[in-house]
Amino acid sequence: GAGVSQSPSNKVTEKGKDVELRCDPISGHTALYWYRQSLGQGLEFLIYFQGNSAPDKSGLPSDRFSAERTGGSVSTLTIQRTQQEDSAVYLCASSLNRPEVYTFGSGTRLTVV
Amino acid sequence: GQSLEQPSEVTAVEGAIVQINCTYQTSGFYGLSWYQQHDGGAPTFLSYNALDGLEETGRFSSFLSRSDSYGYLLLQELQMKDSASYFCAVGKAAGNKLTFGGGTRVLVKP
Repeated sequence: GAGVSQSPSNKVTEKGKDVELRCDPISGHTALYWYRQSLGQGLEFLIYFQGNSAPDKSGLPSDRFSAERTGGSVSTLTIQRTQQEDSAVYLCASSLNRPEVYTFGSGTRLTVV
Repeated sequence: GQSLEQPSEVTAVEGAIVQINCTYQTSGFYGLSWYQQHDGGAPTFLSYNALDGLEETGRFSSFLSRSDSYGYLLLQELQMKDSASYFCAVGKAAGNKLTFGGGTRVLVKP
């Protein structure tokens, strides 16, 4: 596609439920990143996929968080047993030959009630 | 680990010049990037410095001093549409992920 697409744009879930967030990167972009942004805060790195290499999961805050990338394209971030502190905007980005240039999606705003 | 420091907020009037400083402490350094984010929007890439010196892109310029672990973003001829948050970000190796600073909120007043 022309840009990075994320769905849903908004998600309200009850504490303890599982959620899945989807990211469609720009076609052909080999690198895909997930970040989390709390209100008025900076971007917190979660996970990074590069081609067929093992993902860099060093930013995942707990084992409730996991992500996969299928076929080198679409990625899904899963949060199990959601907690209120998981409420944030989850941003996905992709890049191609210039790793310093990310194209971000519009994000999924997750609210855990 | 890595840490980046930038001011939390800057206020200026239309037509003015604003400089947003960013100091970083990293275990490795490849380059310094700058991103702009309007409220409710996605961050968008503005500028990148891998070498010391000034990079100019229209009204925006970015500077890097690797020896001082310091950079800045210069916004000239401020316009109302420049009201946004600005983030510096460091990559510590080629092809590695970016670590972002906490962001500087720029408010432009008429």
